[in-house]
Amino acid sequence: QVQLQESGPGLVKPSETLSLTCTVSGGSIGSGSYCWIWIRQPAGKGLEWIGRICNSGTTNYNPSLKSRVTMSLDTSENQFSVKLSSATAADTAVYYCARAAPGGYNIWSSDSWGQGTLVTVSS
Amino acid sequence: DIQMTQSPSSLSASVGDRVTITCRASQSISKNLSWYQQKPGKAPKLLIYGASSLHSGVPSRFSGSGSGTDFTLTIASLQPEDLATYYCQQSDSIPWTFGQGTKVEIK
Repeated sequence: QVQLQESGPGLVKPSETLSLTCTVSGGSIGSGSYCWIWIRQPAGKGLEWIGRICNSGTTNYNPSLKSRVTMSLDTSENQFSVKLSSATAADTAVYYCARAAPGGYNIWSSDSWGQGTLVTVSS
Repeated sequence: DIQMTQSPSSLSASVGDRVTITCRASQSISKNLSWYQQKPGKAPKLLIYGASSLHSGVPSRFSGSGSGTDFTLTIASLQPEDLATYYCQQSDSIPWTFGQGTKVEIK
């Protein structure tokens, strides 16, 4: 059973870059037809998909964040990361990393999740 | 973006009740829909994928149905541990989008 764990600063200053890493254990991040995704959830609100990076090389970002977000995959460390530049208070949220597995054409579901990490953007 | 609208936003039901949550997509998404359960303070967990396939280890009282724009999550007999918020999510097109959530409370 694959396990995921987010890590990174819990406090980021406005205008700086928010950076998080997800460490995967129990399986190789580079094997299989998986995508690795980031999702965030502001306090008391719903889930927002940030983007995905796939073992195939495909990378997609939410257009609402596209100009600020970058994802990367490090197979040697079994980790993947997200960077969100020019952070503002609106980026304050719990950030989750997850694995998305294919179940058919365009059928993707996130079957393994990290526990989430709270990032606060404040001076 | 494809908009996902869930109803109701919240509900209260008794243990043993049959509970139904609906999710409507703003355009056809075939069967590219998943359902997640999120308990307070925890990460979401996958319940259903492909609109109607039960994820491994999920109790059989959970079921999903639908295709195109209209989908349903049913809990056949509500249990105390089902207290949670439930989300639908489409993977038909980028960006993947979630419904706003349905909070299920136990009477």
